[in-house]
Amino acid sequence: QKEVEQNSGPLSVPEGAIASLNCTYSDRGSQSFFWYRQYSGKSPELIMFIYSNGDKEDGRFTAQLNKASQYVSLLIRDSQPSDSATYLCAVNLHNFNKFYFGSGTKLNVKP
Amino acid sequence: GAGVSQTPSNKVTEKGKYVELRCDPISGHTALYWYRQSLGQGPEFLIYFQGTGAADDSGLPNDRFFAVRPEGSVSTLKIQRTERGDSAVYLCASSLRPNDEQFFGPGTRLTVL
Repeated sequence: QKEVEQNSGPLSVPEGAIASLNCTYSDRGSQSFFWYRQYSGKSPELIMFIYSNGDKEDGRFTAQLNKASQYVSLLIRDSQPSDSATYLCAVNLHNFNKFYFGSGTKLNVKP
Repeated sequence: GAGVSQTPSNKVTEKGKYVELRCDPISGHTALYWYRQSLGQGPEFLIYFQGTGAADDSGLPNDRFFAVRPEGSVSTLKIQRTERGDSAVYLCASSLRPNDEQFFGPGTRLTVL
């Protein structure tokens, strides 16, 4: 079993819609959670992070964490074609200072 | 301010050769990580430095891989007797403190012929 699971997609949404990206993790000791965006041929770029259960909003992005269900999601409101990329979920076990990444979900936002 | 830099951006080598990949982290960042990313996969952890010491090298695939960070800033990933399976993008990331959010460099694309 992988530490972090993501649906590889592609997830296609029309411009202006809400894109919902999901991630599950296996280790209940995971303490911090990160979403990265990666354009083709580029390196991952941090979008946001979340530590506590609930929602965290930053502009058009909302991260949601449910530790009981071992589930973290990213919502992108008013999706734009420029949001088309692969979104990577990462979790961190603080005691080990180690980050585990999922394989990413490819998002296509159609104009 | 300057981000994480990596050199070279591309490296083509022949099977059996030795390569060095360099990472220059964000100034003041104490934690430095090396990852390897293959096509269609997420970054795979290789090694983590806190200061000058390798705090966790459990991700290094075998003893052909070695990394140093002698002065607690720049790090070099060294691969001996390269194999075709080593071909991937090698990413370096740094964070201000352990467990903080990481910032990635542009990566080095290694191709072993």
